Amino acid sequence: EAGVAQSPRYKIIEKRQSVAFWCNPISGHATLYWYQQILGQGPKLLIQFQNNGVVDDSQLPKDRFSAERLKGVDSTLKIQPAKLEDSAVYLCASSLGASSYQETQYFGPGTRLLVL
Amino acid sequence: DQQVKQNSPSLSVQEGRISILNCDYTNSMFDYFLWYKKYPAEGPTFLISISSIKDKNEDGRFTVFLNKSAKHLSLHIVPSQPGDSAVYFCAAKDGRNFNKFYFGSGTKLNVKP
Repeated sequence: EAGVAQSPRYKIIEKRQSVAFWCNPISGHATLYWYQQILGQGPKLLIQFQNNGVVDDSQLPKDRFSAERLKGVDSTLKIQPAKLEDSAVYLCASSLGASSYQETQYFGPGTRLLVL
Repeated sequence: DQQVKQNSPSLSVQEGRISILNCDYTNSMFDYFLWYKKYPAEGPTFLISISSIKDKNEDGRFTVFLNKSAKHLSLHIVPSQPGDSAVYFCAAKDGRNFNKFYFGSGTKLNVKP
């Protein structure tokens, strides 16, 4: 079974530039998550999709961040314009999205963003 | 509002000995708990989980214990191996809230040969 795919793996941009990240979840997984992980901290949820609908984007800085999940499969996360404090690893995860309480998330390798 | 806490940022253990990683949570409605392992430059990898109706789950060298009254869980690794050196994240799921996951800040385990 293929895992969660993310690209690019690394990105270096200057502040005020824009950047986009792509995620392909595990086949059949209805729920997709984007996390931001700053060095020394745990993953922080930015946005959660159930199929192609948003169920939680309360911690997404909507003035600069946007995300979409077309057709309920792949997803893109965009930052425009980027700030220095956006330097972090952006993790995509997916889960079945079933009603079972034993729901497990599976993570991609992450995209490491450095804003100069 | 950090609902899942890992108060030890690092832990150093001798190879062959037991590693005990701890995690505390505040939300009594969490129904499922997970441990993830993360190597540098990789995403977190699922390691082991436990549901709120159990107090212990074992998988090979890894055992997770849950104490609901204390809102505490721990991960035991016996025996510890150098390849276990990684950052370990504790996570908890709120089944009432669209299966939202909450993560601790991680504990970096170093297993010395």
